[in-house]
Amino acid sequence: DGGITQSPKYLFRKEGQNVTLSCEQNLNHDAMYWYRQDPGQGLRLIYYSQIVNDFQKGDIAEGYSVSREKKESFPLTVTSAQKNPTAFYLCASSIPPSEGAEAFFGQGTRLTVV
Amino acid sequence: AQSVTQLGSHVSVSEGALVLLRCNYSSSVPPYLFWYVQYPNQGLQLLLKYTSAATLVKGINGFEAEFKKSETSFHLTKPSAHMSDAAEYFCAVSDLTYFGNEKLTFGTGTRLTIIP
Repeated sequence: DGGITQSPKYLFRKEGQNVTLSCEQNLNHDAMYWYRQDPGQGLRLIYYSQIVNDFQKGDIAEGYSVSREKKESFPLTVTSAQKNPTAFYLCASSIPPSEGAEAFFGQGTRLTVV
Repeated sequence: AQSVTQLGSHVSVSEGALVLLRCNYSSSVPPYLFWYVQYPNQGLQLLLKYTSAATLVKGINGFEAEFKKSETSFHLTKPSAHMSDAAEYFCAVSDLTYFGNEKLTFGTGTRLTIIP
């Protein structure tokens, strides 16, 4: 089955540590996204990538970094510079606007700082 | 940049009653509008999308939405609520203002509670 796989589902981080969230898709989509979800704030865009080896900052990129070395992979690193990283993180990919721009989501990773 | 506003962060309806979740988009007509549903601790699932082909859009699980340009709205409705409809619902708009790039912008979500 085609889809988006995020791992791990739950992640615990000590303060001062960097952690990397995995996102893999086998939908052959060019565009991929990372969103952060907090209660009452909806989804906020962290980073997005329209093509391999290229990505742009979203609305809340500070304290995060990404890479896009392969079409199917878009890992997100939460660095120690992110002051409040506890949240639910969602990865998505989308079909081109010419085909309807629909986004497909992974099941999410819940990150907790301990 | 495009934006969407969802009125009402929490909506409660009785089982069997009409469901109405409100969404308004920014003034310029977007190419695409979407409604997504999220169940606890899961990702988002597409309910329906507007692509200018028809103003009344039918989606999964009996939901539909009507695009009204005069009101800049894309409200989500379902004639009869079911207990399984309890979830969080997000309205989203595609943004093509970034040259060569496209991204989705989401509303803040509406949590729907169904009263038995």
